[in-house]
Amino acid sequence: SQELEQSPQSLIVQEGKNLTINCTSSKTLYGLYWYKQKYGEGLIFLMMLQKGGEEKSHEKITAKLDEKKQQSSLHITASQPSHAGIYLCGAARATGNQFYFGTGTSLTVIP
Amino acid sequence: ETGVTQTPRHLVMGMTNKKSLKCEQHLGHNAMYWYKQSAKKPLELMFVYNFKEQTENNSVPSRFSPECPNSSHLFLHLHTLQPEDSALYLCASSQNSGGLRDTQYFGPGTRLTVL
Repeated sequence: SQELEQSPQSLIVQEGKNLTINCTSSKTLYGLYWYKQKYGEGLIFLMMLQKGGEEKSHEKITAKLDEKKQQSSLHITASQPSHAGIYLCGAARATGNQFYFGTGTSLTVIP
Repeated sequence: ETGVTQTPRHLVMGMTNKKSLKCEQHLGHNAMYWYKQSAKKPLELMFVYNFKEQTENNSVPSRFSPECPNSSHLFLHLHTLQPEDSALYLCASSQNSGGLRDTQYFGPGTRLTVL
């Protein structure tokens, strides 16, 4: 099983709709990163959450961290075609240099 | 140039070839990383370098040989690869390695195809 599971695996929404992507960890989360990847390209850093209950926003994207549930959610309000891509969550372990990425969520926004 | 750059962007090689991937970061960071992204698999961390020293080798086969001559440059030397090594290879850098507060910044990747 993966350390970080994302759901859904893929999402197709109409432009203007809201959507939520979840990232669940099998281990205790001490912090979580969200990245966006255009198909076949590098990752773009979106935001990082460190504390339980923390919520951050960047333009129309909001992310929350629930440490008790070992889960983070990414919410996009009024989606646009520019939001299309693969969203990846990532987290580091408390010790060592291991960094894990989630399985990814592919988002398609239909104009 | 700004950020993290990678060359080449695309590479096709035979199993007997030797090639190298190059990564350069212009962010003044001290740590650099190689990741492998295969289809339908999560990104896999391959190597971590901090201040030019390798601090992590994630059980990567010896046909992949990293080199970090300084904090700004990272190479991945490839030889006798297998078709299953075909993937997107991503380089990243961060201020320091490890830790939960070090955001990693990624390059655009090199799409490698092994015939």
